[in-house]
Amino acid sequence: EPEVTQTPSHQVTQMGQEVILRCVPISNHLYFYWYRQILGQKVEFLVSFYNNEISEKSEIFDDQFSVERPDGSNFTLKIRSTKLEDSAMYFCASSVDRGATNEKLFFGSGTQLSVL
Amino acid sequence: TQLLEQSPQFLSIQEGENLTVYCNSSSVFSSLQWYRQEPGEGPVLLVTVVTGGEVKKLKRLTFQFGDARKDSSLHITAAQPGDTGLYLCALKRGNNRLAFGKGNQVVVIP
Repeated sequence: EPEVTQTPSHQVTQMGQEVILRCVPISNHLYFYWYRQILGQKVEFLVSFYNNEISEKSEIFDDQFSVERPDGSNFTLKIRSTKLEDSAMYFCASSVDRGATNEKLFFGSGTQLSVL
Repeated sequence: TQLLEQSPQFLSIQEGENLTVYCNSSSVFSSLQWYRQEPGEGPVLLVTVVTGGEVKKLKRLTFQFGDARKDSSLHITAAQPGDTGLYLCALKRGNNRLAFGKGNQVVVIP
């Protein structure tokens, strides 16, 4: 089965540094998402992206965050100036469509971000 | 606000036993999804339930959507060690924006 690929699997950074998390969604998918999971807490929605623009974002997705699809295959999440509380597992996901009740999101294996 | 509450948070059983975990809400939802997440991996969709009272089976897993569409259960028959994982329920808010519960951590001991 096709899969969403995320790199790196682990990222350690100093507080205040910029990080870019990378994702390669499934090739025929049109909708892309970032979620995060802080240790011991729920998986939380950050942002959805379609047709080269943000469709929806949560209150977590503030000005420190940005997303980009720089080419035909990659989808990136940038955190401009990391904070300790940004430490989490970040999941990329993609889907063919949106809105349909049975629409299936495919998640990547995640990038574990540790901010020191 | 806790939209979805899952119980129990943690459950450990012996191989071959049956188990049931629950996902509840005070609100009615149009559909609900169940995912399984293994350590170091992303959630994987198991099933979507839509109709009140609906029952769906996936091998030894039985998913039920409550008649009032405010709760759901997952029953595993004759659990195997491979069933170990974090079971997450989620509902869609808007266009594929998923709101997850905290999960039911299931451990099946050989």
